[in-house]
Amino acid sequence: GEDVEQSLFLSVREGDSSVINCTYTDSSSTYLYWYKQEPGAGLQLLTYIFSNMDMKQDQRLTVLLNKKDKHLSLRIADTQTGDSAIYFCAEMDNNNDMRFGAGTRLTVKP
Amino acid sequence: DADVTQTPRNRITKTGKRIMLECSQTKGHDRMYWYRQDPGLGLRLIYYSFDVKDINKGEISDGYSVSRQAQAKFSLSLESAIPNQTALYFCATSDGVSGEQFFGPGTRLTVL
Repeated sequence: GEDVEQSLFLSVREGDSSVINCTYTDSSSTYLYWYKQEPGAGLQLLTYIFSNMDMKQDQRLTVLLNKKDKHLSLRIADTQTGDSAIYFCAEMDNNNDMRFGAGTRLTVKP
Repeated sequence: DADVTQTPRNRITKTGKRIMLECSQTKGHDRMYWYRQDPGLGLRLIYYSFDVKDINKGEISDGYSVSRQAQAKFSLSLESAIPNQTALYFCATSDGVSGEQFFGPGTRLTVL
């Protein structure tokens, strides 16, 4: 079946940029998402990108999509301790089925 | 007030017991989902419902059942709980247009 993969851990220093990567296999993806999960809470949508776009910027967040390589990344500029969380990549196909990656735990060190 | 609520938030039970997890939403969404989250495995879809009369199995439905009592309510049952069903369970809703899903706070279930 189709799959979404991302590395499980990332550690950065406060003030540095964080880049979280994700790869997926489904060629029929329509939307790609980044969700953030803080401790003890559910997932919240952080940002999303249409599959026909290659970049989206929203304040400190930059999403890059390489559709040819099926590679999605989330860059967080000037990472803060409040950015520490688990970040999930997700993709939705043309049947509206959504698949999530395993989540990347971002740790921000002071 | 939270748009998607789950009860209970935490539950410890014994093997063989029947457990029901409840989810309510005030977003007016037709679509509702149940996921389980396990460390290193991300979210896996158990069941989903696109309206009150529409129930579909997800990736890992064995050992679970659901009931969509109303547009706003979607409950998940474990008929006979087993230890490998120990996990964090999330309910979610969507409007079926943007694809964005709105998650409840989760229920931590421990089966001894």
